[in-house]
Amino acid sequence: NAGVTQTPKFQVLKTGQSMTLQCAQDMNHEYMSWYRQDPGMGLRLIHYSVGAGITDQGEVPNGYNVSRSTTEDFPLRLLSAAPSQTSVYFCASSYSNMINSPLHFGNGTRLTVT
Amino acid sequence: GENVEQHPSTLSVQEGDSAVIKCTYSDSASNYFPWYKQELGKRPQLIIDIRSNVGEKKDQRIAVTLNKTAKHFSLHITETQPEDSAVYFCAASSRSSNTGKLIFGQGTTLQVKP
Repeated sequence: NAGVTQTPKFQVLKTGQSMTLQCAQDMNHEYMSWYRQDPGMGLRLIHYSVGAGITDQGEVPNGYNVSRSTTEDFPLRLLSAAPSQTSVYFCASSYSNMINSPLHFGNGTRLTVT
Repeated sequence: GENVEQHPSTLSVQEGDSAVIKCTYSDSASNYFPWYKQELGKRPQLIIDIRSNVGEKKDQRIAVTLNKTAKHFSLHITETQPEDSAVYFCAASSRSSNTGKLIFGQGTTLQVKP
């Protein structure tokens, strides 16, 4: 099993550009989520999904869109990048959103918006 | 929604000493409290978790305690070693089938001096 795979590992965007951060898991996990990590801010939840076709907002959803058309994939879209979106983005999944299923993180995507 | 506060933001100890990191949460419905360790440049990984029906849990040199009345929980690391140096995150969630939000604290950078 590859676990949680994020692509790309690094990305530089200009303000106003759009892009999609990819996340895929091969563990048949129902629950998937996106976090951003900024110094001193911890891990902040952007969006999450409890199953295919279901998504919901986290703590900091503005500027980001998500969709969950399959169990395996949970892409994060930036429609018009802003310097404030410079961050490290982590995708994470778990078997379910019940308390017996730990969260597994991908290796992260480092995004710089100039 | 849930809010998690974590202290201290940095902690420096001598090898062999104990380290304690404390977190408070706001949502009395939260029932799952994991701790994650993130080494430099790596992804966060689960080290221990506790559920609301348990007051304490141990795993070798690490332990977590939970006080539901006061809404706080702590990570205790005994006999610290240089490889314990990392960023530690606490989190809280009411991981029922309807929610599933896992909210993280701001992180604690632990430095263990040889």
